[in-house]
Amino acid sequence: QVQLVQSGSELKKPGASVKVSCKASGYSFTSYAMNWVRQAPGQGLEWMAWIDTNTGKPTYAQGFTGRFVFSLDTSVSTVYLQISSLQAEDTAVYYCARVSPGAVADYWGQGTLVTVSS
Amino acid sequence: QSALTQPPSASGSPGQSVTISCTGTSSDVGGYNYVSWYQQHPGKAPKLMIYEVNKRPSGVPDRFSGSKSGNTASLTVSGLQAEDEADYYCSSYAGSTPLLFGGGTKLTVL
Repeated sequence: QVQLVQSGSELKKPGASVKVSCKASGYSFTSYAMNWVRQAPGQGLEWMAWIDTNTGKPTYAQGFTGRFVFSLDTSVSTVYLQISSLQAEDTAVYYCARVSPGAVADYWGQGTLVTVSS
Repeated sequence: QSALTQPPSASGSPGQSVTISCTGTSSDVGGYNYVSWYQQHPGKAPKLMIYEVNKRPSGVPDRFSGSKSGNTASLTVSGLQAEDEADYYCSSYAGSTPLLFGGGTKLTVL
């Protein structure tokens, strides 16, 4: 069965970096794009980026360039989100989501809570 | 692009029907039949409930249905049950933005 398993919660200080992973299983990893979605506390869903799992090329939403880096390792069917120079406003749950044709986010990771606090 | 517009809240009694709207523009909802709806319970990941406007994934009860007219999509939940109480988000393909989300609607079962 399709599964997306994300790394565990992180507590970081302002200015630090964090790397969140999302390991896919149960399907052909390179057959589907992977997306990242942010949900700040008490807020809605916000699309961050999608990554072409064939080429590794990410496409970023406005507001998620610069400090945000999206990458993948096809040998372990895993995508990564790295955020540098963390700020309090980066505190959120970050989800990876497999997206099928038709812009359908049909499978989601369980989410990774990143808390930025001094 | 701006987020799609959803009412912040909706409610209904058990057994009743409730409809949640999702309004966009001709560049997103109105331009493509790629509208999806997601259900999110507190502390859980979103779950796909409707895709391509009105299709249900396997395992989603047929009490959930979707439709679209012009720039507005709708999710209808019939025969409300207690477990339907959750946040619901619409999303639409919008060209350079594959997942343009609405602000979310909190559905309360009275």
